[in-house]
Amino acid sequence: DARVTQTPRHKVTEMGQEVTMRCQPILGHNTVFWYRQTMMQGLELLAYFRNRAPLDDSGMPKDRFSAEMPDATLATLKIQPSEPRDSAVYFCASGQNYEQYFGPGTRLTVT
Amino acid sequence: RKEVEQDPGPFNVPEGATVAFNCTYSNSASQSFFWYRQDCRKEPKLLMSVYSSGNEDGRFTAQLNRASQYISLLIRDSKLSDSATYLCVVRRGAGGSQGNLIFGKGTKLSVKP
Repeated sequence: DARVTQTPRHKVTEMGQEVTMRCQPILGHNTVFWYRQTMMQGLELLAYFRNRAPLDDSGMPKDRFSAEMPDATLATLKIQPSEPRDSAVYFCASGQNYEQYFGPGTRLTVT
Repeated sequence: RKEVEQDPGPFNVPEGATVAFNCTYSNSASQSFFWYRQDCRKEPKLLMSVYSSGNEDGRFTAQLNRASQYISLLIRDSKLSDSATYLCVVRRGAGGSQGNLIFGKGTKLSVKP
């Protein structure tokens, strides 16, 4: 049963620190997405890749966030420096055609 | 105005009840529609796609009204295990972006014994 995996599952850090979240998409899926979910805003698309190329990162604060796909089995989302308002659950999803399969998420708390 | 809007609920219903959720979307160019389900502290999972002709999957029926730009989900004979948040999802049609889904904030359903 293929699944999207994400690490770490939980992260608590102090503001100003760098945070790196990792995602392993389902093998064979050509599209990878990063979302952020908060109670106030719901699920927001931060960035997505197709065939490892970034297609849209307009939802991401460019000054502190960066997303990369160094290879087909790894996607990363980095926040530097982190701020308390970045506290949220960050989901990675991978897809083929219309359906997206979500990973379990990284619950980030920035104090 | 949000691109996808839903009543956040919660909808508190007894077991066996029929419950319906509606969702409206603002972009008339939207091409595909879905309902996702999200359990507490879990990831969203696809529940069903929504087709123009309406579609049914067991106790779940989804309908689309393009003229009024709304989507509905009907759950019959609700079970305790149906308790979750139901996310209305729309795929934007413009720009050739096959994966660009817009999520509503979700409607929370709580089924009580």
